Amino acid sequence: NAGVTQTPKFRILKIGQSMTLQCTQDMNHNYMYWYRQDPGMGLKLIYYSVGAGITDKGEVPNGYNVSRSTTEDFPLRLELAAPSQTSVYFCASRRPGELFFGEGSRLTVL
Amino acid sequence: AQKVTQAQTEISVVEKEDVTLDCVYETRDTTYYLFWYKQPPSGELVFLIRRNSFDEQNEISGRYSWNFQKSTSSFNFTITASQVVDSAVYFCALSEAIQTGANNLFFGTGTRLTVIP
Repeated sequence: NAGVTQTPKFRILKIGQSMTLQCTQDMNHNYMYWYRQDPGMGLKLIYYSVGAGITDKGEVPNGYNVSRSTTEDFPLRLELAAPSQTSVYFCASRRPGELFFGEGSRLTVL
Repeated sequence: AQKVTQAQTEISVVEKEDVTLDCVYETRDTTYYLFWYKQPPSGELVFLIRRNSFDEQNEISGRYSWNFQKSTSSFNFTITASQVVDSAVYFCALSEAIQTGANNLFFGTGTRLTVIP
């Protein structure tokens, strides 16, 4: 079972570049999330989705965009990358009471 | 508002010692879930346990045990006879149990456990 799959696992960006982190889940979960984890910190919610076509902002949405055209996919778009977006990004999907995480994507903006 | 506090930033123990990781939470919800996740050096998040707020029974799974006390809003995690493979960052998290809005998990800042051989 694939679960939650994130790509890429590592990426280095230059300031001002754009990129998309891909996230796919094969568990037919309605809820999906994007988190970021900064060094020495817990995870903070960037965006979430409660189903295809529905997305909403989390705690730290600035500088990011998402879309949810299908139940399976929940890509995270970074426009005009900034050094403050250097972090590890986790995608997750959820069934009641349990969150399933991808393996994380380490992004460095130089 | 939900909040999770893990006051212990880093703990070091010698192998085979017992260690307890503290977690204190705040919530206005009457129904909620509490979680523990392990993040080994490889970086992935490994689910350890989920506890429903209605179930205050302590749980033991091998060398791991959890003590949930609603009276003190705590959900502490004990590792008995620690091993080097237990070295990781451990996160406590809280979420509402009723699926409305984001139904987000609120994470503590984590406790880094180092087990010295």
